[in-house]
Amino acid sequence: QVQLQQWGAGLLKPSETLSLSCGVFGGSFSGYYWIWIRQPPGKGLEWIGDISNDGYTDYNPSLESRATISIDKSKNQFSLDLNSVTSADTAVYYCARGQYNSREYFQHWGQGALVTVSS
Amino acid sequence: QSVLTQPPSASGTPGQRVIISCSGSSSNTGRNSVYWYQQLPGTAPKLLIYSNNQRPSGVPDRFSASKSGTSASLAISGLRSEDEADYYCAAWDDSLSGFYVFGTGTKVTVL
Repeated sequence: QVQLQQWGAGLLKPSETLSLSCGVFGGSFSGYYWIWIRQPPGKGLEWIGDISNDGYTDYNPSLESRATISIDKSKNQFSLDLNSVTSADTAVYYCARGQYNSREYFQHWGQGALVTVSS
Repeated sequence: QSVLTQPPSASGTPGQRVIISCSGSSSNTGRNSVYWYQQLPGTAPKLLIYSNNQRPSGVPDRFSASKSGTSASLAISGLRSEDEADYYCAAWDDSLSGFYVFGTGTKVTVL
């Protein structure tokens, strides 16, 4: 059974860069889409973007100028960088997996990582 | 940035049927599949429904869903205490360069 495990800094100051990584264990890495989603405290879900096995990325238009998703197939992991953070970026960040050659829906999720932006 | 509208809350007593609506537009639910996720308190979301009305393995048949035009709905039959959670619809939106949108979320309370 595939498991996704996330890690990264949990407390940032405004203008810093958020960096999170997600490791994939117990399942195939190749051929799948890998996704980042976030959820501000007490609010709904927001799709940040995704990356294909071939490295093609797609981003939420509202975050496209600040977000970068990358993949390291040698380590079975993918990452999210979000620059110039503000308090509005405070959220629980989730990594997730799409399907083989498809990103229609997300059946496997990481445990979530709370990132707080505060001066 | 949610473009899919859901009622903020719904409730029922054990055994009752609860229906949650999801309203979108021609660029998302009107032309693409709708998905439903369940989020129990303090946990990551769980896929409940894919391709408008399909249940992944392990999801009880008490959960059913449908889509008509730009609207979709999720029904929970035989409501149980463990169904108390937040429920989100979702779909791909073909406007701009294409992006995934979630609904505003519905909190289901079991009375």
